[in-house]
Formats: sequence, structure tokens, C-alpha cells
Amino acid sequence: GQNIDQPTEMTATEGAIVQINCTYQTSGFNGLFWYQQHAGEAPTFLSYNVLDGLEEKGRFSSFLSRSKGYSYLLLKELQMKDSASYLCAVLGNAGNMLTFGGGTRLMVKP
Amino acid sequence: EPEVTQTPSHQVTQMGQEVILRCVPISNHLYFYWYRQILGQKVEFLVSFYNNEISEKSEIFDDQFSVERPDGSNFTLKIRSTKLEDSAMYFCASSGRSDQPQHFGDGTRLSIL
Repeated sequence: GQNIDQPTEMTATEGAIVQINCTYQTSGFNGLFWYQQHAGEAPTFLSYNVLDGLEEKGRFSSFLSRSKGYSYLLLKELQMKDSASYLCAVLGNAGNMLTFGGGTRLMVKP
Repeated sequence: EPEVTQTPSHQVTQMGQEVILRCVPISNHLYFYWYRQILGQKVEFLVSFYNNEISEKSEIFDDQFSVERPDGSNFTLKIRSTKLEDSAMYFCASSGRSDQPQHFGDGTRLSIL
């Protein structure tokens, strides 16, 4: 079975750093992907990890520990426009399907 | 930057009617996908497509659903006889390789009356 957990909501202050955690239990694993989704819009790719460790991409970084079934997305220097849902998704073995978590709704306050 | 395009942006259809949702994947991508998102719920996988055949499909993708790549650029999702519960946002995605990020189109909002 597939189980992906992430917090439902988080609040942070403009200019701060926020870490969004994701834990997963899946039958196959070929990578973990993070997407941003503004309300009513499409998921937009942010970052991904195939191997353990930290991937840095500008203000966004993502970390993976495969042995712990754990990932996090780190957002630095938060801006108001970062208010959105952040989706954790695991790429399985079968047919390249992405299994998504329920998303973490981040609210950035002034 | 190349992008996935979907048409129409919004489709309203009577229950029982057929709908075709259209997608133009990124031009050099080889892997194509359909996902759906019911309002307020998580994104759900429907089907993946590679080399002119279905690679994988979910339980949602029953006999009422079909996909086609009618030419070198379009990728379509057909729902043969729509039900109220088919109302959702349908996203098309594509990737260059199987392990590369999937890039999503803006979606088609399907409303079944």
C-alpha cells in the first residue's frame, strides 16, 4: 500500500525559514518530488531527491532519508507569494505513477 | 520555457454524455500522464502512457475511461458516459524520462450536471 503523510497546515512569517515534513510508506520508490500548488492552479515542480541527502535550488531545498522514509522541503526568505499548498509525491516502480500526499497549506504572514 | 497545454479550461457536460479532454505535452517528452483532483482532495493518478500504450492505470481508470495519442502532438482522455462523481480538475503531465520530474498542464475543470 501507499501512505504519505504531511501536516495539513502551517503558518510562518515573511522573511523566515519554514520546514515542511513528509513521511512515506510505499511499496516501491524511485524518487520523492515536491510540488507547489496555488489554489485553483496546477502543481508546479519545485525539487526532487532520488538519493539520500540535501538538494538545494535557490530558496528551496529538499532532503531525503530513504531508510527513515522521510523528506522535508525547506523554504528560506519566505515571501507572501509562497502562500500555497506544498505537495509531497513519491514516484513508484509501476508505470511511473506519482502518489501524492494531501498537501501542506502554508500561510505566510507579514 | 516549454509547457504542457490543456483544452478546454472548463467543460460542463450533462451526466451520461461523453467528454474528451485534450492535452499537448512538452514536445520532446516521451511519457504522458493523466491525474485528477476532486475539489479539496489530493491529486490522484489515473493513467500513464508510453510508446503508444498504457503503462499503468489506477482503480479509478475503469472501462469508462480511455486514452489516445491520435497524432504526434496530442494526448487525449475520453470519459465515455460521465457520472456526477467524475466532476474534478483533470491534469495532464509529461516527462522526458521515466524518473524525471513530471510537468503539469493548467488542467481542465470538468463539471457534470
